[in-house]
Amino acid sequence: NAGVTQTPKFQVLKTGQSMTLQCAQDMNHEYMSWYRQDPGMGLRLIHYSVGAGITDQGEVPNGYNVSRSTTEDFPLRLLSAAPSQTSVYFCASRAGSYGELFFGEGSRLTVL
Amino acid sequence: LAKTTQPISMDSYEGQEVNITCSHNNIATNDYITWYQQFPSQGPRFIIQGYKTKVTNEVASLFIPADRKSSTLSLPRVSLSDTAVYYCLVGAGSGNTPLVFGKGTRLSVIA
Repeated sequence: NAGVTQTPKFQVLKTGQSMTLQCAQDMNHEYMSWYRQDPGMGLRLIHYSVGAGITDQGEVPNGYNVSRSTTEDFPLRLLSAAPSQTSVYFCASRAGSYGELFFGEGSRLTVL
Repeated sequence: LAKTTQPISMDSYEGQEVNITCSHNNIATNDYITWYQQFPSQGPRFIIQGYKTKVTNEVASLFIPADRKSSTLSLPRVSLSDTAVYYCLVGAGSGNTPLVFGKGTRLSVIA
């Protein structure tokens, strides 16, 4: 099993550009989520999903869109990047209730 | 959502036992308590999980009092490689419940 795979690992954008961070898991987990982590700070929940076709907002959803068309994939879209979105983004998944979260290696995004 | 409060940072010498306490006064009946460890430039990884009393695994122990309003992660005989940020997470996976992290505790182990 590959676990949780995030692509790309590094990305530089200009203000106003759009992009999609990809997240895929091969563990058949129903719950998937996106977090952002600013330098020296904790993780903040952006969006999460409890199954295909179901998404919901977390703590800091503004500026981000998500969709969950399959159990495996949970892409995060930035429609118009802003410097405030410079951060490391982590995707995580878990199996059912009370299971542990499995994290990807992170995607480091810089917006100029 | 159960909010958690942890000390911002702690220092310890190698070989000592370290106890990190997390407060979660509004924990719900079906909430579990889970601790994660994060090294720089990596995603957090699971350490231990519990509901009540004491849980022990090969790397840590978790103590939860009867009222469940707090929990303590105990790391026996820490080494330099235990230097990391430790997060306490309270929540249940059932239903549409988001999993929100607190600010974490930065543990520095000194030789």
